[in-house]
Amino acid sequence: EAQVTQNPRYLITVTGKKLTVTCSQNMNHEYMSWYRQDPGLGLRQIYYSMNVEVTDKGDVPEGYKVSRKEKRNFPLILESPSPNQTSLYFCASSPMRRGLDETQYFGPGTRLLVL
Amino acid sequence: KQEVTQIPAALSVPEGENLVLNCSFTDSAIYNLQWFRQDPGKGLTSLLLIQSSQREQTSGRLNASLDKSSGRSTLYIAASQPGDSATYLCAVPLEKLSFGAGTTVTVRA
Repeated sequence: EAQVTQNPRYLITVTGKKLTVTCSQNMNHEYMSWYRQDPGLGLRQIYYSMNVEVTDKGDVPEGYKVSRKEKRNFPLILESPSPNQTSLYFCASSPMRRGLDETQYFGPGTRLLVL
Repeated sequence: KQEVTQIPAALSVPEGENLVLNCSFTDSAIYNLQWFRQDPGKGLTSLLLIQSSQREQTSGRLNASLDKSSGRSTLYIAASQPGDSATYLCAVPLEKLSFGAGTTVTVRA
């Protein structure tokens, strides 16, 4: 089944404890991205990647890191999480190089609470 | 910067009524416009993608129109059902994908 998977789905952590949220897609998509969704602010892009070893900042990259060593995986890293990073996170992928000409496929989301 | 606005923010209708959801955007130089559905606490599901060269796209009871010159798109859902209750978001790509805040729809049985 074609899908985007994220792990973990739910995470409670404490300020400053490094964490990684994994994202994997099995559709051989070139474009992958991370979003966060907050009440009243909607979906905002954190980082995106147009291909292996190519990543770029989105609207709200501060406090986050990403890497794209393999085509299928695009982990989101929070080196020192803070309470303002409590949010619902979505990973998405798309087949086209620009990532904008085709439908975006979203993962199920990761709900993060930073205490 | 692309600004995407969705009106209304929330909508409640009785079952069987047709739904009309609006999306407006500020920069008309778009590749396409996408409509998504989001159920509470869940991910986004793509409903329709309208290419910039198209004026509308249909899938079952859903019909989406696009007017680039006026910066508007409308999603019509015919004969609404309680299962249509969800948040509907439109997204417009320019340098990146910009989302509207969504319209939360409740269909009353």
